[in-house]
Amino acid sequence: DAGVIQSPRHEVTEMGQEVTLRCKPISGHDYLFWYRQTMMRGLELLIYFNNNVPIDDSGMPEDRFSAKMPNASFSTLKIQPSEPRDSAVYFCASSSLGTSGTDTQYFGPGTRLTVL
Amino acid sequence: AQKVTQAQTEISVVEKEDVTLDCVYETRDTTYYLFWYKQPPSGELVFLIRRNSFDEQNEISGRYSWNFQKSTSSFNFTITASQVVDSAVYFCALSEASRDDKIIFGKGTRLHILP
Repeated sequence: DAGVIQSPRHEVTEMGQEVTLRCKPISGHDYLFWYRQTMMRGLELLIYFNNNVPIDDSGMPEDRFSAKMPNASFSTLKIQPSEPRDSAVYFCASSSLGTSGTDTQYFGPGTRLTVL
Repeated sequence: AQKVTQAQTEISVVEKEDVTLDCVYETRDTTYYLFWYKQPPSGELVFLIRRNSFDEQNEISGRYSWNFQKSTSSFNFTITASQVVDSAVYFCALSEASRDDKIIFGKGTRLHILP
């Protein structure tokens, strides 16, 4: 069974450019999460979806960040325009609804973003 | 406030030694979940364990064991007979049912197992 798939694995771009990160959750999972990991701030939840609907985007740092989930098997995180301080590893995770709350989150391999 | 504290930023032990990673959490919820994840040098986050607040039984999985104590709000992780492959950053995390099960991660403990 395939895990969470993220692409690209590495992205290097210049300041001001648009960046799109992609995620395919585990089949059958109805929750999808986007996280950002930096040395300074650790792992931060940016946004999460339930059944393709954004539930909480309070972690999205600025209007430059947007996320979509057009269907159950695909989500994007877009940064426009990108800035050097956006450099980080971005993780996508998915989970299913357990008998008591959401179940364990399984993470993708991450996308390492470098904005020059 | 929801909070996970991993006071040990970095630990180094010699291979075959036992090592315990500490995790202390804060919550006002009675229903919550605790997790441990491993992040090896390759960067991925690997799920290790999930424990709900109503199950205080300790758990053992091979060389790994977890000690959950609600009285001290701790969920410590012990690796017995450590191996070089155990070298990684280990994250403790908490989610609360009242907060839509959003996971809050601790800052992590970087574990070095020296050959």
